[in-house]
Amino acid sequence: QKEVEQNSGPLSVPEGAIASLNCTYSDRGSQSFFWYRQYSGKSPELIMSIYSNGDKEDGRFTAQLNKASQYVSLLIRDSQPSDSATYLCAVSFGNEKLTFGTGTRLTIIP
Amino acid sequence: DVKVTQSSRYLVKRTGEKVFLECVQDMDHENMFWYRQDPGLGLRLIYFSYDVKMKEKGDIPEGYSVSREKKERFSLILESASTNQTSMYLCASSDPGVMNTEAFFGQGTRLTVV
Repeated sequence: QKEVEQNSGPLSVPEGAIASLNCTYSDRGSQSFFWYRQYSGKSPELIMSIYSNGDKEDGRFTAQLNKASQYVSLLIRDSQPSDSATYLCAVSFGNEKLTFGTGTRLTIIP
Repeated sequence: DVKVTQSSRYLVKRTGEKVFLECVQDMDHENMFWYRQDPGLGLRLIYFSYDVKMKEKGDIPEGYSVSREKKERFSLILESASTNQTSMYLCASSDPGVMNTEAFFGQGTRLTVV
């Protein structure tokens, strides 16, 4: 069974600081990696996708992938209260189904 | 604007009832998914369809079946609802491409079985 592990938190970060979210996965052949944000009572929405080793930046968000270590992370710079949400890591192999982690609840403290 | 629409936001059903959850997408996506989400357990895949009339079991298919007669519509069926199927159900769709691409989610159906 392919597994995706996240620290469930909750993770509390002061406003303006960097929030760091981590995810590990069990299938070495995994090819596609996603970070979703889910506000309470809402559906998940994609914030980052990454397919190659290294960093990918989009505004205040940076996704980092290390396939050798089977590790993907999300950094949120200059954290805002609106970033308070649950962050879900998702992994897929080729064209297959997405497997999600259990999510990390992030709270930004004003 | 991309759209995945689930037929109900909230549903209350009795134990033993047959329950239908409907999902429609307007993006011409080939892949469609049904997940359930429970506190502490994250999103767990129930069933996955990669084409019309094609389906594949996910991680927790027991007690569920699915139907995909048209590309845009994917139905989840609870054959005989039980209280342990009380949950948030999320439908999603994606365009497979060479690498798996973003999955778009519906608004979710919160099902309570009493």
